[in-house]
Amino acid sequence: GAVVSQHPSRVICKSGTSVKIECRSLDFQATTMFWYRQFPKQSLMLMATSNEGSKATYEQGVEKDKFLINHASLTLSTLTVTSAHPEDSSFYICSARLPRNNEQFFGPGTRLTVL
Amino acid sequence: DQQVKQNSPSLSVQEGRISILNCDYTNSMFDYFLWYKKYPAEGPTFLISISSIKDKNEDGRFTVFLNKSAKHLSLHIVPSQPGDSAVYFCAATPLVAIYNQGGKLIFGQGTELSVKP
Repeated sequence: GAVVSQHPSRVICKSGTSVKIECRSLDFQATTMFWYRQFPKQSLMLMATSNEGSKATYEQGVEKDKFLINHASLTLSTLTVTSAHPEDSSFYICSARLPRNNEQFFGPGTRLTVL
Repeated sequence: DQQVKQNSPSLSVQEGRISILNCDYTNSMFDYFLWYKKYPAEGPTFLISISSIKDKNEDGRFTVFLNKSAKHLSLHIVPSQPGDSAVYFCAATPLVAIYNQGGKLIFGQGTELSVKP
């Protein structure tokens, strides 16, 4: 099956620093990847759609300057949380879309804690 | 505005019995629905899907029922097993979005299923 990895799985940082999260499709090429955020006991909220070679499409209410997305290759998308604050603490999950059937495969998620 | 709702945050079922997880949606543009299973600190894994041209789809112990007029779907697991204990999310999207560069899924809040031995 299609495998998606995320790195790191867990990160703790100080307020004001920037954190980069990587999402990789390990055994397929994905022109489209998605970034989600999940708060405890809540649904996965789509933050943005990442398209290889073009700008990401952000959902309403998501600050593009705060959550920088780069999809530089067909197997890698990165999410950078800039100037992180405690309210950015959350579980960030990416997914990659398998081109042959458009099914989304999810990464294991990254737990971000901002102190 | 929560377009996909799972009103039961948790469900407890005895092993061997049926688990029924419910999901309601409000957007009439949604015509493709998916169920995902999620363990703590892991990403969701796909379970089963259904498009609006069907009212039932079955895969082993998992069956999804769709009632379009009520904008309601349910996931039945029978017989339930302890390994089924997880959070279950339903998700919805317009089918045309699956084939476009968008393809974004709208998720419900999840229902935590606990299957007791």
